Amino acid sequence: DVKVTQSSRYLVKRTGEKVFLECVQDMDHENMFWYRQDPGLGLRLIYFSYDVKMKEKGDIPEGYSVSREKKERFSLILESASTNQTSMYLCASSLARGEAFFGQGTRLTVV
Amino acid sequence: QQQVKQSPQSLIVQKGGISIINCAYENTAFDYFPWYQQFPGKGPALLIAIRPDVSEKKEGRFTISFNKSAKQFSLHIMDSQPGDSATYFCAARYTGNQFYFGTGTSLTVIP
Repeated sequence: DVKVTQSSRYLVKRTGEKVFLECVQDMDHENMFWYRQDPGLGLRLIYFSYDVKMKEKGDIPEGYSVSREKKERFSLILESASTNQTSMYLCASSLARGEAFFGQGTRLTVV
Repeated sequence: QQQVKQSPQSLIVQKGGISIINCAYENTAFDYFPWYQQFPGKGPALLIAIRPDVSEKKEGRFTISFNKSAKQFSLHIMDSQPGDSATYFCAARYTGNQFYFGTGTSLTVIP
């Protein structure tokens, strides 16, 4: 079974903190994605990566950055957390033309 | 703007009834249309998917109907069960393997 593991299920951070969300997949997938999920808005793509050290902006990249130093790991970075970044964050991975597999999600609260 | 439009936002169905969720898209470059099921506290999981050269796909009680000319597709859940109560997302894959998601439908099946 494909496994996508997000390092934290719940996080509480203070406004202005730098926040790291980590995601690891064990199926040698080329593609990795970060989405945020908000009620009524569905899943919105923040960033994605086709390969190591490659990254592409999604629909809502502002306030976020990403890092992919190894194929299996994709990190989402909130440079200076703000309350409007309180959300559920979902990591996913896929083969080049395959379906997306999701992690369990990280519920981030910024206070 | 929303690349994939999904309706209804919520749906209540009696046990044994048919649940129908609809999605529409505009971009003809989409080449793969999956449906995801998400239970509370979990990440979305692939339920069933269809390619645009097929008009219908059935897996057990779940059927996707696809109308390429109308740019619409729908999920039908036959003989709905309380265990089907979840949030359902339609999605569309862009040629670069980016997935765009609908806003989600919260399904409640009443015993």
